[in-house]
Amino acid sequence: QVQLVESGGGVVQPGRSLRLSCAGSGFTFSSYGMHWVRQAPGKGLEWVAALSYEGSSKYYVDSVKGRFTVSRDNSKNTLYLQMNSLRAEDTAVYYCARYTFGGVIVPGYWGQGTLVTVSS
Amino acid sequence: EIVMTQSPATLSVSPGERATLSCRASQSVSSNLAWFQQKPGQAPRLLIYGAFTRATGIPARFSGSGSGTEFTLTFSSLQSEDFAVYYCQQYNNWPLTFGGGTKVEIK
Repeated sequence: QVQLVESGGGVVQPGRSLRLSCAGSGFTFSSYGMHWVRQAPGKGLEWVAALSYEGSSKYYVDSVKGRFTVSRDNSKNTLYLQMNSLRAEDTAVYYCARYTFGGVIVPGYWGQGTLVTVSS
Repeated sequence: EIVMTQSPATLSVSPGERATLSCRASQSVSSNLAWFQQKPGQAPRLLIYGAFTRATGIPARFSGSGSGTEFTLTFSSLQSEDFAVYYCQQYNNWPLTFGGGTKVEIK
């Protein structure tokens, strides 16, 4: 079955960088677009970024544009989120999610998330 | 960006009762509207997409309706496992946006 496993979270100081990874299995990774969605402690869901199946189309929420970069390595079945110039307000659980199926971009399958804490 | 507004923020319901959650978009999203369920400590789970299409494995007691700017998620008879937070999300325009959520709690 579809499985997504995030890694790379941790505690980081403001202004520093962190790279998250999301390993996919149980499906043809190279055929699906992917999302990153985050959730600050005790708050609601916020969509962060998306990447098309082949990596040519990228989309971001305004609050991370210019600081975060989404990418993928289809040979490794892995999605990445490079996060630079981190701020306290980036503290959240970060989920990766797969498009439901080819023509429907809704996040249909989710990982369990990785916690990023930005604090001095 | 399209703003999604959910109401009420909290809904107190007795098991077995019918319940309806609302979601409003600041501009038309056609039928590109999804609903998610999230329980404490868990990742969200997709319930409904395309405003009314149930995702794989979602029981028939969940139903979605609406188009344009007004949408509803209805539970025909709430079960104990349905008490959770529910989010709507529009995927008609980038950036995708979520509503603030409705917590469905036991009355």
